[in-house]
Amino acid sequence: EADIYQTPRYLVIGTGKKITLECSQTMGHDKMYWYQQDPGMELHLIHYSYGVNSTEKGDLSSESTVSRIRTEHFPLTLESARPSHTSQYLCASSEGLAGGEYEQFFGPGTRLTVL
Amino acid sequence: SQQGEEDPQALSIQEGENATMNCSYKTSINNLQWYRQNSGRGLVHLILIRSNEREKHSGRLRVTLDTSKKSSSLLITASRAADTASYFCATGAGGSYIPTFGRGTSLIVHP
Repeated sequence: EADIYQTPRYLVIGTGKKITLECSQTMGHDKMYWYQQDPGMELHLIHYSYGVNSTEKGDLSSESTVSRIRTEHFPLTLESARPSHTSQYLCASSEGLAGGEYEQFFGPGTRLTVL
Repeated sequence: SQQGEEDPQALSIQEGENATMNCSYKTSINNLQWYRQNSGRGLVHLILIRSNEREKHSGRLRVTLDTSKKSSSLLITASRAADTASYFCATGAGGSYIPTFGRGTSLIVHP
């Protein structure tokens, strides 16, 4: 079992609320990632970080923001949630080995529903 | 991006049968990985195969890579009901640490 945790596991909120999805890992990995996944669909990278104070946007345009103040912590924030944000959010981490050979470790996911 | 495309999208078999899933990609890669995702959970890494390797085994899993055809296959032998999950391929290229995931194959193994 990977040592990467996400809270909450499930969240149902109303439109316009500000939310933060938490992600923590205890493996000391430099690289961390946030993916968005709709049921039965592929993963879309929305944010990633190569280390403390480093954050980048991914391929999928997202209205969320992230921060990386500590190696082990990579929270994702939605300032004003909308129904279009309803999805599953997966956090992952990896080592940064030369040549791009790495394994991503995933958290259990947060299933977000915005009413 | 060089997104992997899995085929078939869905596969339904009986316990004990073999399951084969394929992944095709568009441009040169350094490596290709396979992941499993149980319903409503995160992904779990199964196996990584490098571009200079043709075949790799791990328990009941056998992965092949044909770089000339830009395709890979995942074979699960003697499948079990517990193998029911979605299976994703992910390609890695250049110096990027970020794999590109396909849409996945949904496997159902009936007991």
